Amino acid sequence: TQLLEQSPQFLSIQEGENLTVYCNSSSVFSSLQWYRQEPGEGPVLLVTVVTGGEVKKLKRLTFQFGDARKDSSLHITAAQPGDTGLYLCGRNNDMRFGAGTRLTVKP
Amino acid sequence: NAGVMQNPRHLVRRRGQEARLRCSPMKGHSHVYWYRQLPEEGLKFMVYLQKENIIDESGMPKERFSAEFPKEGPSILRIQQVVRGDSAAYFCASSMNKNTEAFFGQGTRLTVV
Repeated sequence: TQLLEQSPQFLSIQEGENLTVYCNSSSVFSSLQWYRQEPGEGPVLLVTVVTGGEVKKLKRLTFQFGDARKDSSLHITAAQPGDTGLYLCGRNNDMRFGAGTRLTVKP
Repeated sequence: NAGVMQNPRHLVRRRGQEARLRCSPMKGHSHVYWYRQLPEEGLKFMVYLQKENIIDESGMPKERFSAEFPKEGPSILRIQQVVRGDSAAYFCASSMNKNTEAFFGQGTRLTVV
């Protein structure tokens, strides 16, 4: 049973488009981590969000933690083919993950 | 500062054999987590260990699977009498403390033939 829900499950867009993916839980996160995983590789940590309402930016990626610390979003501006991968959110207190959003950016 | 090291990267076993997967955490990390991933799926939690102790094994099958993290040496995930359904990628992650950032290894891809 997945304790974290991520949406959408799949997303295919053209280079240059913007997108947002979501991570939701019925319970409060102590903190949340976002990872990106490329085919054949291990997940790579992108960011950790801790405080409700927190916004963090990593180049073209913007991460937001909901005020109630039960949801988070990742927004990518002007997506590039190099952004292609599986985006995973993980709850830090018990290291459980959502099923991920599989993003494909076409050139 | 080396990252999380897993070996082997690829492992082929015949049905009925044993598979041993190794995970060396990052330096200074004493918490290790093991996950299983099937193609096109997310990470399924298996077990959480802290040096010499199993903290949470709620995701581990009751039979044939075991894990350890000895005082010295890597964490080991052991699968006895492997079956074709055990074929998957197995990842470990390590962290310095509970609730701190966790970093993943490159995984071991187990194929049972």
